[in-house]
Amino acid sequence: DVQLLESGGGLVQPGGSLRLSCAASGFTLNSYAMNWVRQAPGKGLEWVSTLKSSGDKTSYADSVKGRYSISGDKSKNKLFLQMNSLRGDDTAIYYCARGRTVGATFYFDSWGQGALVTVSS
Amino acid sequence: QSVLTQPPSVSAAPGQKVNISCSGSSSNIGNNYVSWYQQFPGTAPKLLIFQNNKRPSGIPDRFSGSQSGTSATLGITGLQTGDEADYYCGTWDSTLSVPVFGRGTQLTVL
Repeated sequence: DVQLLESGGGLVQPGGSLRLSCAASGFTLNSYAMNWVRQAPGKGLEWVSTLKSSGDKTSYADSVKGRYSISGDKSKNKLFLQMNSLRGDDTAIYYCARGRTVGATFYFDSWGQGALVTVSS
Repeated sequence: QSVLTQPPSVSAAPGQKVNISCSGSSSNIGNNYVSWYQQFPGTAPKLLIFQNNKRPSGIPDRFSGSQSGTSATLGITGLQTGDEADYYCGTWDSTLSVPVFGRGTQLTVL
């Protein structure tokens, strides 16, 4: 069975940093485009970042560009999200999601349970 | 401001059918496949429909998807109280070069 398990969430002060981890099982992480998607309290889904299956290409939402960094560890089958210069509007549940991208297709077929990140003083 | 527009809420009686719309443009729905996600309160989203009208294994055929031009529709027949959830459409936006979501539609089964 495919499973994604996030960890590393918590309370952080504005301007601080946090690193989220996503442990994948049931599949090989670097065979898929892996993503972070967040959901602010009471709001909808917002794509944050993608690490392509090649492992060397990344993309970011404009709202986090320059502050967040996505990476993966093939040996541990883990995905990471380094978040720096955190702001109040970064407060959200962060989901790790496996992406399926072929031609005109881009969808998320498996999701983790989410990690809550709260940015507050 | 989302590039995909969904109604904030829809409602219908048990056993009835409901359609949830998702409107976009030629940059997204008009030229890329649409997916739909179901999310119950306090839980992670779950893939319901992919490539406009395909259902992952385990999703009942009460759920269907369609796409026409720059709009897509999620249909749910034989509504059950257990279908009460938030539903999101998603696709790729070729102009923005990012995946995008609608703001979500809350389904109430009266």
